[in-house]
Amino acid sequence: EPEVTQTPSHQVTQMGQEVILRCVPISNHLYFYWYRQILGQKVEFLVSFYNNEISEKSEIFDDQFSVERPDGSNFTLKIRSTKLEDSAMYFCASSSGLGDTQYFGPGTRLTVL
Amino acid sequence: KQEVTQIPAALSVPEGENLVLNCSFTDSAIYNLQWFRQDPGKGLTSLLLIQSSQREQTSGRLNASLDKSSGRSTLYIAASQPGDSATYLCAVRRHSGAGSYQLTFGKGTKLSVIP
Repeated sequence: EPEVTQTPSHQVTQMGQEVILRCVPISNHLYFYWYRQILGQKVEFLVSFYNNEISEKSEIFDDQFSVERPDGSNFTLKIRSTKLEDSAMYFCASSSGLGDTQYFGPGTRLTVL
Repeated sequence: KQEVTQIPAALSVPEGENLVLNCSFTDSAIYNLQWFRQDPGKGLTSLLLIQSSQREQTSGRLNASLDKSSGRSTLYIAASQPGDSATYLCAVRRHSGAGSYQLTFGKGTKLSVIP
């Protein structure tokens, strides 16, 4: 069964460093998303991406964040200058249509020291 | 702003029991509702998707219902098994004329099924 994959599974970085989290969505899906979950808290929406552009973003997704689909398969989230409060589990998701089931990847645990 | 609440926060049942997990949301103008399970330190596994026009969806031992007007959904698990132990999350997608893509999540119900 097709699944969303994410790399790395765990990333440790120093405050102020740039990180890139990578995702491979399900191959025939057209809508891509990033969510995050701070330990013990709710899963929160960050951004959605369709047709090579951001279609919606939350107030969390400020200028420090960017997304890109550099080729036909990868979808990346970049955090330009990490802060301690960026420590969280980051989930990538994809769906085939706008109102369809969103399928989530296993997540990348980001730890900012 | 949409708020999603799940009660109880934790639930412990003996194996074999039928159980109900509850989800409520403040804005009834939703497009659909999705139930997930999350195992510790893992990703989210989609269980069921209910469109706003539907009343319920079934998959195996799982049945999810939706009462949009009252802002409620329930997830019914029949004949629970230890392998059902996980955190169950409810998420709603709002309905927007401009198109809204995001899911708003509840905090989840942590289920423990005791053998």
